[in-house]
Amino acid sequence: QKEVEQDPGPLSVPEGAIVSLNCTYSNSAFQYFMWYRQYSRKGPELLMYTYSSGNKEDGRFTAQVDKSSKYISLFIRDSQPSDSATYLCAMSQGNAGGTSYGKLTFGQGTILTVHP
Amino acid sequence: ETGVTQTPRHLVMGMTNKKSLKCEQHLGHNAMYWYKQSAKKPLELMFVYNFKEQTENNSVPSRFSPECPNSSHLFLHLHTLQPEDSALYLCASSPQSRGAFFGQGTRLTVV
Repeated sequence: QKEVEQDPGPLSVPEGAIVSLNCTYSNSAFQYFMWYRQYSRKGPELLMYTYSSGNKEDGRFTAQVDKSSKYISLFIRDSQPSDSATYLCAMSQGNAGGTSYGKLTFGQGTILTVHP
Repeated sequence: ETGVTQTPRHLVMGMTNKKSLKCEQHLGHNAMYWYKQSAKKPLELMFVYNFKEQTENNSVPSRFSPECPNSSHLFLHLHTLQPEDSALYLCASSPQSRGAFFGQGTRLTVV
């Protein structure tokens, strides 16, 4: 069983739709949860960073973490064609020294296309 | 510009060649990482450095040799690679919170 499961899609939605992206995980030691956006031929860009359970909102993006269910989500409101990219969930244990915050376990990524 | 710069962006090398990938970060972070991104696979952590010291080698073959001369620079030396090593190699740095910040990557093709 993979430590982090993410539906690779692809996911295609019309402009203006609400997009829901999800990941499940098996390691209960994960405490820090991230979403990255990766455009074609680019490196991953950090979108959202959350600690433990709860919600975090940043503009059109909302990240949710439910540690009891080992389930995280990213919602994109009013999706735009510029949101078309691969979205990667990532998580870390975030303890045991300064390097642990960047020791990330990733999902496979979901390819999202927002069409006009 | 992410604050993490990788060169070259693209590299084609033969199986008998020796080449090096370079990473430089301007974010003042003390931790640096090499990740590998292969098609249809999640990003895989390869090496971890903290204050220039290697703290983790994630069972990476010896044909990949990292070097970290200071907290701002990281190299990945490559020799006698295999075609299956073709991938996007990503460098990242991290503060003691807030995840990792990635460079644009080096697209490596081994022929």
